[in-house]
Amino acid sequence: DIQMTQSPSSLSASVGDRVTITCRASQNINNYLSWYQQKPGKAPKLLIFAASNLHIGVPSRFSGSGSATDFTLTISSLQPEDFATYFCQQSFTTLGTFGQGTKVEIK
Amino acid sequence: EVQLVQSGAEIKKPGESLTISCKVSGYSFTNFWIGWARQLPGKSLEWMGIIYPVDSDTRYSPSFHGQVTISVDKSISTAYLQWSSLKASDTAIYYCARRGRGCNGASCYEVFDYWGQGILVFVSS
Repeated sequence: DIQMTQSPSSLSASVGDRVTITCRASQNINNYLSWYQQKPGKAPKLLIFAASNLHIGVPSRFSGSGSATDFTLTISSLQPEDFATYFCQQSFTTLGTFGQGTKVEIK
Repeated sequence: EVQLVQSGAEIKKPGESLTISCKVSGYSFTNFWIGWARQLPGKSLEWMGIIYPVDSDTRYSPSFHGQVTISVDKSISTAYLQWSSLKASDTAIYYCARRGRGCNGASCYEVFDYWGQGILVFVSS
């Protein structure tokens, strides 16, 4: 199995802050990496696919980068609606594994 | 508008059987794989399996193979997740999701782009 490790597990930030979340794969997954946002009691929402491509309707303050084993999700200016948990997921294999999640909380 | 609407929350006892559903609308049901994911309380997500509605080709994650059954009814654009004998450890939220395509220029990638609202399954004696 490919293991996906996110860091940090949680962070506190203020509105307007720049936030960076990292995701590391246990082996080379090329750019087969997606990012999802999940709010309490809601289903995950796709933000980014293929490491750096914004899904339809996702605000441009979200961006993704990386390849092979190391990936980053950046929120350039945190907004109140961005407080949520973020998951990375590899799609290199058919039923790709998720990271453990990063909870972004209000400072 | 693409929608995946899941059935309601379930409270069951260990050993009971259960089938939960995911009805899709807004796109051709047979054109896309449907996946089922489990989220244990306070935890991340795990894919359980995926099914291709055209021919019911099904792929299970090793952790879930033999533990659940995934099926579809094409006539009503609905996918199902079934247990024959529930355990307390099956208590979780279960999501269905469409495996669509995200494209940039000439390349397209498989992505889970639309999700159901989730079903809480609670198993306790």
